[in-house]
Amino acid sequence: EIVLTQSPATLSLSPGERATLSCRASQSVSSYLAWYQQKPGQAPRLLIYDASNRATGIPARFSGSGSGTDFTLTISSLEPEDFAVYYCQQRSYWPLTFGPGTKVDIK
Amino acid sequence: QVQLVESGGGVVQPGRSLRLSCAASGFFFSTYGMHWVRQAPGKGLEWVAVISFDVSDIHYADSVKGRFTISRDNSKSTLYLHMNSLRGEDTAVYYCARPRGGWYDAFDIWGQGTKVTVSS
Repeated sequence: EIVLTQSPATLSLSPGERATLSCRASQSVSSYLAWYQQKPGQAPRLLIYDASNRATGIPARFSGSGSGTDFTLTISSLEPEDFAVYYCQQRSYWPLTFGPGTKVDIK
Repeated sequence: QVQLVESGGGVVQPGRSLRLSCAASGFFFSTYGMHWVRQAPGKGLEWVAVISFDVSDIHYADSVKGRFTISRDNSKSTLYLHMNSLRGEDTAVYYCARPRGGWYDAFDIWGQGTKVTVSS
């Protein structure tokens, strides 16, 4: 099973600041990595697929990069609605696996 | 509009069974593989199972293999999850999710979730 590790567990930032979230895979998943945002009481929302492609309707301030085992989600300038939990997920191997999440909260 | 609506959750005793449903609308359900993903209270996301569009291929997480069965009825645009021998650790919100394209692609459409509580 591919284990995804996300860091940091919590990121405390202010609106307007840049957020950099990391996801590391226990073995190469090529570019088959997605990022999701989840707010309390809501279903996850797809942000990025295949490492660097923004999903439909996702603002340009969200960007993804990386390949192999190391991936990054960057939010260039945090908006109030961006404070949430972010999960990475790999689709390279069964079983599909998610990372434990990074919580971005307001400083 | 594209939509997934889960139902069937509730409180169930350990060892009992439950069947979840996911009604799809707004897209050609019969052409998509479909997944179940769950989230225990206060925890992260856990992938549970997938079924291909034509039921030819099915995969399960080890944690549910042999106890849960995923199925679908394309004539009703509905996905199911039959859960047997339920345990406390199966307590979670269960989401159905549609992949973008290929059956193991990223999930671009999610239902609102249905809550399952396993407790005596």
